[in-house]
Formats: sequence, structure tokens, C-alpha cells
Amino acid sequence: GQNIDQPTEMTATEGAIVQINCTYQTSGFNGLFWYQQHAGEAPTFLSYNVLDGLEEKGRFSSFLSRSKGYSYLLLKELQMKDSASYLCAVFGSGNTGKLIFGQGTTLQVKP
Amino acid sequence: DVKVTQSSRYLVKRTGEKVFLECVQDMDHENMFWYRQDPGLGLRLIYFSYDVKMKEKGDIPEGYSVSREKKERFSLILESASTNQTSMYLCASSLPTSGDTKETQYFGPGTRLLVL
Repeated sequence: GQNIDQPTEMTATEGAIVQINCTYQTSGFNGLFWYQQHAGEAPTFLSYNVLDGLEEKGRFSSFLSRSKGYSYLLLKELQMKDSASYLCAVFGSGNTGKLIFGQGTTLQVKP
Repeated sequence: DVKVTQSSRYLVKRTGEKVFLECVQDMDHENMFWYRQDPGLGLRLIYFSYDVKMKEKGDIPEGYSVSREKKERFSLILESASTNQTSMYLCASSLPTSGDTKETQYFGPGTRLLVL
């Protein structure tokens, strides 16, 4: 079967660093996306990893280990506006553009 | 900027009604997708289309159908709405994937459907 696991909820303090983990078991792997979704809004693209290692983009970084079926999203210097859901999604086998989504992690940033 | 629009943000329908949810994208994307999003279950793919008049079932197609008569428009149809179809419906579009290039999906704002 296909399975993507993320923690349901996390809480962190403004200015801190938080790491959101994602583990996956899919039939085939062609890349992993992270999306941010504020309450009542559409998901928006954050990052894409297809090779092992760390991709850094400003305050956000994403890491991938294909051998472990594992990724994380690292958010530094947390701001109140980072309170949102973070969705991990995997491109499985094939080339149709289909994504398999995890349930999402709701992050609450407190002052 | 890519723009994906959905016909309604909020919709209230009665059990048994036929419901049309419309999605339009303005970036000439080949791929279009319909998801539903429920608490604790994440986004689940209902149907997708990779070309005009083409459609493929996703993970939960039962009770739904789709139509793609024009490239920019992808419609989701609930033939006879039921209370368990109360959900947030999200449309997305993307360019086709090719080789090592994986194109991100761009999402519409969502339609929150309540079936009474």
C-alpha cells in the first residue's frame, strides 16, 4: 500500500526552530513536495526534493533521504504567520503528475 | 502568476441534488485534479485529467464524475449529493511531468460544500 505519515499537530515558540517530519512508503518514488496551507486557503508550494540532501530556501529548508523514506521541513526564526498546516506529498510511480498527500501537520506558533 | 479559480467558496445543497463544482485555470496547464480535504485524512484525489476529454479515477471516485471539454476548465459533478460528501473540495493544475522535471501543482481557493 501507499502511506505517508506526519505528526498531526506541533507547537513552537516565535523565533525558535521547528522540524516537521514525514515518512513515506510508496510504490515508486519520483520526488517529494512540501506545501503550506493557511486556514481556509489553498495549499501553496514550498519545496521540492528528488535527490538526497538538504535544499535551503530562506528560512525554510527541506531534507530528503530516499533510502530511509524520510523527509523533514525545517523552519527557522519562526514567525506568527508561519502558523499553518504543512503538507508532505510524494510523486509515486508513473509520470501523470499524481501526488500522494500525507494528512498534514498543523503548526501553531506562540509568542 | 498561475491562477486557479473555483466557482464558489461556500455551497449548501440538499441530499439528492445534482451539484456542479467548476474549476478554471489560466496557465494552459495540461493536468488538472480534483481533491477533497477532510480533517485527519489530508487531501484525497477524486479524479484527474491530463488532457481535454481525458479523465482518470483517483483514489475515491465513487459518487463523483468529471468533465473536461476545454483545456482550462475541469468540472466535478456530484450526481446525487449525500451527507458524506460534505467536505472541502480543492482543484489543482500543473504542467505535465517530463523526464526529471516534476512540476508543482497550483491549487484553487477551495469550495466548502455542506450537504444537508
